[in-house]
Order: sequence, then C-alpha cells, then structure tokens
Amino acid sequence: SQQGEEDPQALSIQEGENATMNCSYKTSINNLQWYRQNSGRGLVHLILIRSNEREKHSGRLRVTLDTSKKSSSLLITASRAADTASYFCATVVTGGGNKLTFGTGTQLKVEL
Amino acid sequence: DGGITQSPKYLFRKEGQNVTLSCEQNLNHDAMYWYRQDPGQGLRLIYYSQIVNDFQKGDIAEGYSVSREKKESFPLTVTSAQKNPTAFYLCASRLDRTNEKLFFGSGTQLSVL
Repeated sequence: SQQGEEDPQALSIQEGENATMNCSYKTSINNLQWYRQNSGRGLVHLILIRSNEREKHSGRLRVTLDTSKKSSSLLITASRAADTASYFCATVVTGGGNKLTFGTGTQLKVEL
Repeated sequence: DGGITQSPKYLFRKEGQNVTLSCEQNLNHDAMYWYRQDPGQGLRLIYYSQIVNDFQKGDIAEGYSVSREKKESFPLTVTSAQKNPTAFYLCASRLDRTNEKLFFGSGTQLSVL
C-alpha cells in the first residue's frame, strides 16, 4: 500500500511561476524525502526533512512538514522548463526497518 | 545516475520464462533495493538487502527472487510465477543505516512478448 499520496496528480504552469506540490502520509515517520524523476529515468534525491523539523530550503526548493496533519509540501520557486518532471515524496516509517515508501507522484510541466 | 548501473535498459520476456535484471554499484553502499514502477503509480518495494548475504521481502515480493553474494551486486530474477511483469524496474542503494538518501540506477523496462 502507498504510504504517501501526492496532490495534485498533475500540474501545468508557466516558466517563472511557483509550483507547489503536497504529500500526505498515514503513519508516524522518521523523515520525509522528495525525489525527482525525469521521464524514463531513475529518481534523484532533492531534499530530506526530519520529523523534528518544520521547514527546509535548498536553492529554489522549500519543503515544509506538518506532523500533526501528516503532510508535507514542496515549493519550487521561479520554475524553469528544465523543472518538468515527476516529483515523489517518500517516507521512512518509524520502526519500519529503514524502508523508504514512495507516494504516487505529481507530474509537473513547466511551459515556456 | 550516481554510480549504479542497471542492465539491460530494455528486456523482453516470453511466457514461462525467468529473466534476470542486473544491478551493480561502485559506491561501496551497504544497502540495495529493488522497486517496481507501473504507469500512474508510485514505486513499490520488491526486495531489499542491508548487508551481504541477507535480504528481506518488500511489499510485492511474490514472483520475484534476489541474491546478495557480493556487496556491489543485487540481481533481481523475475520468475514465471510473476503473471504481470511488465513494468519499469528501478534499483537503488544507500550508504548505510545512518544515511537515508537513496541513489537510483536508470532503470530497466521489462515487457512481455
């Protein structure tokens, strides 16, 4: 079963706009990670936020975590056409034996 | 893709045939993972191994088998018992228990003839 569910499933924006993706999960976690996947390729790690953190930044990425609502959001600011990809959240469940469980992904398209 | 090599990139399986997907890493990572990705779905964990000569079933292990005889290699066999094997298979590795970040290979697309 999927631990994480991303919302929206698909998002289309213009270059320069901000993109926000949300992730909800079901059980207590140690940390939450965001990955990016270009079509037909492997995933690339973007950012990790621990359960005791509320916000984290990396370049144009901003991640928030609300453990009371069991949700996280990924914000990409000033988007570029090269940001077009699928974005997945993944969680390490508390007591889950170091397994990383992925959500269903958000497909982002950034148009020129 | 971060020192993890998956081969082949495309693989075709006939009915009743077992096929093996290769995954090799030169990152000296302790743990390795196999995920299956179907269109419109997220990644689902098939098997994982945290040390050599040890592995555990993931969420969808039925119809698959693995071995971990060497630290750098974690091959996945899709057996004839897997009735719906068509999918994109991704191998990943992780340095150790204290580093949660996964590094992925570029994937193998398996199709049934």
